[in-house]
Amino acid sequence: GQQVMQIPQYQHVQEGEDFTTYCNSSTTLSNIQWYKQRPGGHPVFLIQLVKSGEVKKQKRLTFQFGEAKKNSSLHITATQTTDVGTYFCAGLLAGGTSYGKLTFGQGTILTVHP
Amino acid sequence: DGGITQSPKYLFRKEGQNVTLSCEQNLNHDAMYWYRQDPGQGLRLIYYSQIVNDFQKGDIAEGYSVSREKKESFPLTVTSAQKNPTAFYLCASSLTGWAEAFFGQGTRLTVV
Repeated sequence: GQQVMQIPQYQHVQEGEDFTTYCNSSTTLSNIQWYKQRPGGHPVFLIQLVKSGEVKKQKRLTFQFGEAKKNSSLHITATQTTDVGTYFCAGLLAGGTSYGKLTFGQGTILTVHP
Repeated sequence: DGGITQSPKYLFRKEGQNVTLSCEQNLNHDAMYWYRQDPGQGLRLIYYSQIVNDFQKGDIAEGYSVSREKKESFPLTVTSAQKNPTAFYLCASSLTGWAEAFFGQGTRLTVV
């Protein structure tokens, strides 16, 4: 079945350092979404990427979707303590019988030391 | 207020008992999802539904059952056949199967 793998599982950074998490799918995706879950909270939607090679930015966050639509990344520039949390990617398959099956990666837990 | 509501927030059950987790949304969303979250394993899909009266198994459906009799409701029953039911359960909905998902606050189920 479809698998969405995310690395690293944990990342500890000093405030001000950059952070990147990577997401890889075993199958081609129709789109990929990114979510953030604060400690004790629920996942909150950040962004959706649809086009091959797409790059989107939200302030210090940069999201990329690979040319083959099988991988994606989230990069945070100059982390702040407010960036702490778990970042998830979630992929939707391109067609087939699994339409609407939103599959999450394992998540990357980000810790930021002040 | 529009949103997605899960109840209760904490639930305790004895081993061998079935338990039903509630999920209601008033966002007029077509798609609804149930995920299970365990430490270090991310969110694993249990069941999902794109329209009323239709649902599909996710990756870990064994020991769980759902119904989608109304657009706004997608209850999850954790049956006694689920071997490790203690977990954090998250319900989500989206406008369509392609749109962003909105999550409820989650239900933490403990089976003793």
